Amino acid sequence: ELKVEQNPLFLSMQEGKNYTIYCNYSTTSDRLYWYRQDPGKSLESLFVLLSNGAVKQEGRLMASLDTKARLSTLHITAAVHDLSATYFCAVDVFLYNFNKFYFGSGTKLNVKP
Amino acid sequence: GAGVSQSPRYKVAKRGQDVALRCDPISGHVSLFWYQQALGQGPEFLTYFQNEAQLDKSGLPSDRFFAERPEGSVSTLKIQRTQQEDSAVYLCASSFLPRGDNEQFFGPGTRLTVL
Repeated sequence: ELKVEQNPLFLSMQEGKNYTIYCNYSTTSDRLYWYRQDPGKSLESLFVLLSNGAVKQEGRLMASLDTKARLSTLHITAAVHDLSATYFCAVDVFLYNFNKFYFGSGTKLNVKP
Repeated sequence: GAGVSQSPRYKVAKRGQDVALRCDPISGHVSLFWYQQALGQGPEFLTYFQNEAQLDKSGLPSDRFFAERPEGSVSTLKIQRTQQEDSAVYLCASSFLPRGDNEQFFGPGTRLTVL
């Protein structure tokens, strides 16, 4: 069974600081997704990474994918309080007739003023 | 509507009751997924529909769980004889392509609490 591991699981950081969230997965996949979830809300898509070496940036967040290392990173630059949320990575694997998503356990980010 | 909608948003059931959770996917989306999200965890796959066909139900935890999508649009997840371990948020997601071969869009979820 495919495993998707995120670390850290909890992250408390000061505004203005930089940090990186890591997502490791245990099988071959060329596609990786990052989602944000606010308390009591659904998952909001942040990034879709479709190939090795893909890098995408949106505001203070930048995501990258290394399929050879089976690793994706979500880098936070100069964090602000509004980024406080839980971040999930997910990989999809093509099974016999559909793409199945496997999610990590999430990284709960708290940005302190 | 513009996004995936789910109803009810919250459901409290007594142990042993049957519940039905509804999902309205984005119009025109072929693929529909159900997930279960336990507190503090990531979503876990339950079942997949391509149009009206349920192509995979390997994630359903027991035979008390049943899902349908009879006309290829709205889907219902039914849980019979609910147990406390069924308490979770149930998320529905849809995607445009068959096989779920692209980004999935999630609904707000139904939070089920079994007493």
